[in-house]
Amino acid sequence: QQNVQQSPESLIVPEGARTSLNCTFSDSASQYFWWYRQHSGKAPKALMSIFSNGEKEEGRFTIHLNKASLHFSLHIRDSQPSDSALYLCAVSGTGGYKVVFGSGTRLLVSP
Amino acid sequence: GALVYQYPRRTICKSGTSMRMECQAVGFQATSVAWYRQSPQKTFELIALSTVNSAIKYEQNFTQEKFPISHPNLSFSSMTVLNAYLEDRGLYLCGARDGSDYTFGSGTRLLVI
Repeated sequence: QQNVQQSPESLIVPEGARTSLNCTFSDSASQYFWWYRQHSGKAPKALMSIFSNGEKEEGRFTIHLNKASLHFSLHIRDSQPSDSALYLCAVSGTGGYKVVFGSGTRLLVSP
Repeated sequence: GALVYQYPRRTICKSGTSMRMECQAVGFQATSVAWYRQSPQKTFELIALSTVNSAIKYEQNFTQEKFPISHPNLSFSSMTVLNAYLEDRGLYLCGARDGSDYTFGSGTRLLVI
């Protein structure tokens, strides 16, 4: 049974700071990894995904994956107040059919 | 691009009654559809996964008797919440798989009074 945990539960950072969000998973056979962002009252929107070990950068966002340590992370450079939201990591195993969401990290970027 | 329409966006039902929500994939054929629930202050819990040519698989704590799902073709799925009570309130999300990625609908917010 896949167990996906996120840390920290909540985070407050000043505008312009670098923010790091963490996600651990329990199934070493996991193959697909996503980060989603959910604004209050809305459905989550996909931010980035990664399928192999390493790093991927898109604009201010960077995602790291280390399958051996069962860990992946999201880093936000030059955080903006508009980045304030609930961030959810999601993991799926072989075939990618069953996606399990993490517990979420609530980010607040103060202006 | 892949789009998923989910409706209604929000609904209110009386305690003990049932409500149905629908999920439509547009522009692609969904090989699987997943239904999730986000209870207040919680993360998304997987209710069930419906995959082509396989039986619908429900997660622990969720049953077909409570959340019957219909998946008649590769672009449409519906789920009903039967005998809804206060603990069933939350945001229900459908996700349709397009290749290796899931595209999610906008969610159906259920309020039970």
